[in-house]
Amino acid sequence: AQSVTQLDSQVPVFEEAPVELRCNYSSSVSVYLFWYVQYPNQGLQLLLKYLSGSTLVKGINGFEAEFNKSQTSFHLRKPSVHISDTAEYFCAVTWRIQGAQKLVFGQGTRLTINP
Amino acid sequence: DTEVTQTPKHLVMGMTNKKSLKCEQHMGHRAMYWYKQKAKKPPELMFVYSYEKLSINESVPSRFSPECPNSSLLNLHLHALQPEDSALYLCASSQSGLAGNTDTQYFGPGTRLTVL
Repeated sequence: AQSVTQLDSQVPVFEEAPVELRCNYSSSVSVYLFWYVQYPNQGLQLLLKYLSGSTLVKGINGFEAEFNKSQTSFHLRKPSVHISDTAEYFCAVTWRIQGAQKLVFGQGTRLTINP
Repeated sequence: DTEVTQTPKHLVMGMTNKKSLKCEQHMGHRAMYWYKQKAKKPPELMFVYSYEKLSINESVPSRFSPECPNSSLLNLHLHALQPEDSALYLCASSQSGLAGNTDTQYFGPGTRLTVL
């Protein structure tokens, strides 16, 4: 089975500071990784995904992530955060079971931006 | 358009009630999903439909009954729920679920369910 671990349950940062949200994965086969964001009282929105190719993936809202196979990591970064980035962030991996795709989430990281 | 809609937004029901949650997408996706999300937890998969057929049931209690009447609609019928079933129920869809593991799942805003 494939899984992801988000190393920080909460990350507080000041506005306009850089941020890194950490995600490590466990997989014995080809891995496909996703970062989703969940704003308060909303559903999940895709930030970015890694399927293959360039290990640096750019997403929406100025976020980017780097796939590192040797360290089995897929950390999310943003050079300068805004108050509106306050949300829950989920790293996820997909794998197949019973002929269908299954998306498995990490425990989530709550990003809090302080003015 | 990458929109998945869910109705109702909020639902309060008693333990003896029967209610249904509805999910709709018009992206031509052929895979649809139900997730349950408790407060401060990640979403947990409940059911997967692929081409209108149930592919995965994650050992969900029978008081939850999914239905996929056509490729655009997904329902979740609720009966005799327990207070611990109170949660945010999220629907998602993806292209087909058949092309390996690369499909992106698009989520709806969810239905917040409270069972009294």
